[in-house]
Amino acid sequence: DTAVSQTPKYLVTQMGNDKSIKCEQNLGHDTMYWYKQDSKKFLKIMFSYNNKELIINETVPNRFSPKSPDKAHLNLHINSLELGDSAVYFCASSQRHGPQVREQYFGPGTRLTVT
Amino acid sequence: GQQLNQSPQSMFIQEGEDVSMNCTSSSIFNTWLWYKQEPGEGPVLLIALYKAGELTSNGRLTAQFGITRKDSFLNISASIPSDVGIYFCAGQLEGSNYKLTFGKGTLLTVNP
Repeated sequence: DTAVSQTPKYLVTQMGNDKSIKCEQNLGHDTMYWYKQDSKKFLKIMFSYNNKELIINETVPNRFSPKSPDKAHLNLHINSLELGDSAVYFCASSQRHGPQVREQYFGPGTRLTVT
Repeated sequence: GQQLNQSPQSMFIQEGEDVSMNCTSSSIFNTWLWYKQEPGEGPVLLIALYKAGELTSNGRLTAQFGITRKDSFLNISASIPSDVGIYFCAGQLEGSNYKLTFGKGTLLTVNP
């Protein structure tokens, strides 16, 4: 039933560790996104893939690496975690219709806490 | 980067009251989306707007794409306690590469 799912829901880890967050959508969409929401609830896009091709790559440390094995999955791998990486990470998906953004649907989020 | 000015930042209202919030910018937008986020959940899409002047309703919610393409508003009529949450506007800047820019959100509290 779940349209956009993420795992894990919560992730607590120590500085310096490497971790991954997985995202899957069953909406048949061809575009997926990763967003970061900070403690003030501000949502900022990090990456976007369209049919497994990277189309948006914002100013994000290269410790963050997205990977899209197919258009239904977009994973986020983070190397050498830092305290400032603590945030909620959201995956989203949409179907591309020309140049205009259409409805984006969000997953439930992954709360990452780095200690 | 470009920012959306979303206001008000927070609202405290009584059940039954109507609510209005808006997003403005000095830049032109192609798309406006309105989302609601509840604690511990992801943003849920409420209304999508694609043309200047477009007015769309979803139950007690109504949103409009401003004629100038630089703003949008969301109205909630006859508020109920379950309307509580953070409401976000999101827009696609003209010429941007399929990217949404989010407002900072309006925290709505409804007193029963």
